[in-house]
Amino acid sequence: EAQLLESGGGLVQPGGSLRLSCAASGITFGYYAMSWVRQAPGKGLEWISFISGTGYSTYYADSVKGRFTISRDNSQNTMDLQMNRLRAEDTAVYYCARYYYDDIRTSFASWGQGILVTVSS
Amino acid sequence: QSVLTQPPSVSGAPGQRVTISCTGNSSNIGASYDVHWYRQFPGTAPKLLIYGNNNRPSGVPDRFSGSKSVTSASLAITGLQAEDEADYYCQSYDSSLSGSVFGGGTKLTVL
Repeated sequence: EAQLLESGGGLVQPGGSLRLSCAASGITFGYYAMSWVRQAPGKGLEWISFISGTGYSTYYADSVKGRFTISRDNSQNTMDLQMNRLRAEDTAVYYCARYYYDDIRTSFASWGQGILVTVSS
Repeated sequence: QSVLTQPPSVSGAPGQRVTISCTGNSSNIGASYDVHWYRQFPGTAPKLLIYGNNNRPSGVPDRFSGSKSVTSASLAITGLQAEDEADYYCQSYDSSLSGSVFGGGTKLTVL
């Protein structure tokens, strides 16, 4: 069964940067599209970014477009999220999630345990 | 404001049947994109409950079922149990946003 493990979270000041990583195991990583989904404290789920199996296609929610960059290294079975110009409203638990196929229209078949990012001075 | 609309809360007594609705528009559910459902317990990651409108992953009991109509979908839970108390989210794809979209979530309370 697929396992996803996020790392890199923590406390950062407004305007600062942070890089999250997601390490995958138990799957042929490059076969699947991946996303980052976040959940602000007490709020619902928000999809923020997508990357295709090859890494050639990426999409972003308007809330993070131009500030966040998603990438992946299929040789290392990892996916990253570079977060720049962070704002207080970016405070959330960030989940790494795997799509059912290499297709953004499919469901999230597995999720990481989540990692907390806090943006505060 | 979420792209997909869910009721904030639903409730039911043990053994009863409850449904949770998920309403979209012509860019997502109405464009024939599949709807998926997740269950989330406090402090834990969401877990896939229904995929492709009405398919259950291995291990999900048949008390859970999904359906879809023109611009909406529903999750039905029969034989309600105390351990069903959780937050439930619907998800689809939106062609105008070029991204996955979620409903705002529904808190299920078992009375």
